[in-house]
Amino acid sequence: EAQVTQNPRYLITVTGKKLTVTCSQNMNHEYMSWYRQDPGLGLRQIYYSMNVEVTDKGDVPEGYKVSRKEKRNFPLILESPSPNQTSLYFCASSYGVGYEQYFGPGTRLTVT
Amino acid sequence: SQQGEEDPQALSIQEGENATMNCSYKTSINNLQWYRQNSGRGLVHLILIRSNEREKHSGRLRVTLDTSKKSSSLLITASRAADTASYFCATYNSGTYKYIFGTGTRLKVLA
Repeated sequence: EAQVTQNPRYLITVTGKKLTVTCSQNMNHEYMSWYRQDPGLGLRQIYYSMNVEVTDKGDVPEGYKVSRKEKRNFPLILESPSPNQTSLYFCASSYGVGYEQYFGPGTRLTVT
Repeated sequence: SQQGEEDPQALSIQEGENATMNCSYKTSINNLQWYRQNSGRGLVHLILIRSNEREKHSGRLRVTLDTSKKSSSLLITASRAADTASYFCATYNSGTYKYIFGTGTRLKVLA
């Protein structure tokens, strides 16, 4: 089944404790992206990747890191999480840039 | 900054009625996409309309695009309770390689 998976689905952590949210797709997609969703603000793009080893900042990259060492995986790293990073995070992938995106189920992160 | 703005923010209709939601954006685009999200779950792609297209249909969905007004509309005909969800527009600009999502319209279809 074609899908985007994210782990963990729920995470409660404390300020400053490094964490990684994994994202994997099995559709051989070139383009992958991370979004955060906050009430009243819709989805905002954090980082995107056009292909392996090619990543770039979205609209809200501060406090986040990404890497794309393999085509299928695109982890999101929070080196020192802060409470303002409490949000619902989505990973998405698409065949190429500009195509329809396939979304993962989301990761709800709470930073206390 | 958020480019897309959906209107209305919330819409409540009876089953069988049509639902129309609008999206406005600010810069030039290559295409505009509509997505559906069921209560906090992942978004699902509905339809994509290119900048050189004016109207597109898919089942009960009809999308229009007016690039001169920088706006799009999504019409869902003969709504069903299962259409209850949030709907988002997303624009793509090849100059930036980014997708920009709107703030969404929450649709509630009453049985």
